[in-house]
Amino acid sequence: EVQLVESGGGLVQPGGSLRLSCVASGLTFNGLTFSNYFMHWVRQVPGKGLVWVSRIFGDGSDTSFADSVKGRFTVSRDNAKNTVYLQMSSLRVEDTAVYYCVTGYPGYALGYWGQGTLVTVSS
Amino acid sequence: QTVVTQEPSFSVSPGGTVTLTCGLSSGSVSDTDYPSWYQQTPGQAPRTLIHSTKTRSSGVPDRFSGYILGNKAALTITGAQADDESDYYCMLYMGSGNWVFGGGTKLTVV
Repeated sequence: EVQLVESGGGLVQPGGSLRLSCVASGLTFNGLTFSNYFMHWVRQVPGKGLVWVSRIFGDGSDTSFADSVKGRFTVSRDNAKNTVYLQMSSLRVEDTAVYYCVTGYPGYALGYWGQGTLVTVSS
Repeated sequence: QTVVTQEPSFSVSPGGTVTLTCGLSSGSVSDTDYPSWYQQTPGQAPRTLIHSTKTRSSGVPDRFSGYILGNKAALTITGAQADDESDYYCMLYMGSGNWVFGGGTKLTVV
């Protein structure tokens, strides 16, 4: 069974920083391992829609970001630990959301989802 | 900036059929946008239903089907059941490592 477990969410003041982690397990079937998967971050303001945030290649060689977070967020991964990270800096009130870690999937889609971690940016 | 459009809400009777659509504020949706669909019930993480326009994810019943309908991507649910009552999101690949979700459709089964 595939499991993605996010952690690191919490309350932070505007302008502050936070690092989210996501540990994956069970991604070892069909000869694939964690390092074979794109990993994405998606966020959702409670009661609102989904917003794609970031993607990282399986080997970490390429990253991309939504315009709303570009220059403030970075993404990285440690394939030896089956873990992906989202480093968030210069946080704004509008970054308040549940952040989901999601695997990539065939056809530029999203596959397996974590349960999310809530980030609250407030003074 | 391109906006991905979805109906805000839809209603279907139990056992009925409903088609949700996913369009672009400018232009048409095609297979090369790799439309995918996600289902989310309140308080839960989303679940992947469809990728690559029409391929169902593992475990998704064949009551759910995806395709291109005119200039939009579409998700049809046949034989609607009470537990299909959810929010449905489409997502398009915009190229250059960027993805965009639609605003979501709230489906009511009543």
